[in-house]
Amino acid sequence: GNSVTQMEGPVTLSEEAFLTINCTYTATGYPSLFWYVQYPGEGLQLLLKATKADDKGSNKGFEATYRKETTSFHLEKGSVQVSDSAVYFCALRGGATNKLIFGTGTLLAVQP
Amino acid sequence: GAGVSQSPSNKVTEKGKDVELRCDPISGHTALYWYRQRLGQGLEFLIYFQGNSAPDKSGLPSDRFSAERTGESVSTLTIQRTQQEDSAVYLCASSFGDDRGRNYGYTFGSGTRLTVV
Repeated sequence: GNSVTQMEGPVTLSEEAFLTINCTYTATGYPSLFWYVQYPGEGLQLLLKATKADDKGSNKGFEATYRKETTSFHLEKGSVQVSDSAVYFCALRGGATNKLIFGTGTLLAVQP
Repeated sequence: GAGVSQSPSNKVTEKGKDVELRCDPISGHTALYWYRQRLGQGLEFLIYFQGNSAPDKSGLPSDRFSAERTGESVSTLTIQRTQQEDSAVYLCASSFGDDRGRNYGYTFGSGTRLTVV
């Protein structure tokens, strides 16, 4: 069945450092891919998405490119801020179902 | 309302008791989802409602879990004879969706934190 694997955290970075959070997936067909973010004390929010191969999703300085050849959707940001501290979830939706399949989440802590 | 509302926000219950968790989706959203997030783990799909179609119950972990939704409104998730392993945050999400399987993005509620003691 469909599944998502993302790098374990916590990831601790200094402000302005480069961020990569790896995400790979297993799916039949052509899934849509998502990154969700959960800030402390808040609900999950959609950060960005990509619906087909080679699409790049971007939002708030974050980017992720849908790579079918490597079945990956890694999240990147060139210069993180303390306010980016949150848990980041990679997810996919595919096949005949609308349900999202989530990774385990990666806690990002950015220090000033 | 402006977002997905869940109640209660926190619930502590004794092992063996039944609990009901409530979700008020965004008005007009036809699809509603329940997920469970155990401490340190990812989101685990539980159940999905889409309009008047039969719900997708494939994620419910046991027959102690059930959920109902009346039309396109409120949903309740019921856990009978709670066990300690049921302790988790229960998240509800809603979205526009249609019978062709198209879906237009989820909005999540803030969740109900359930602690079984």
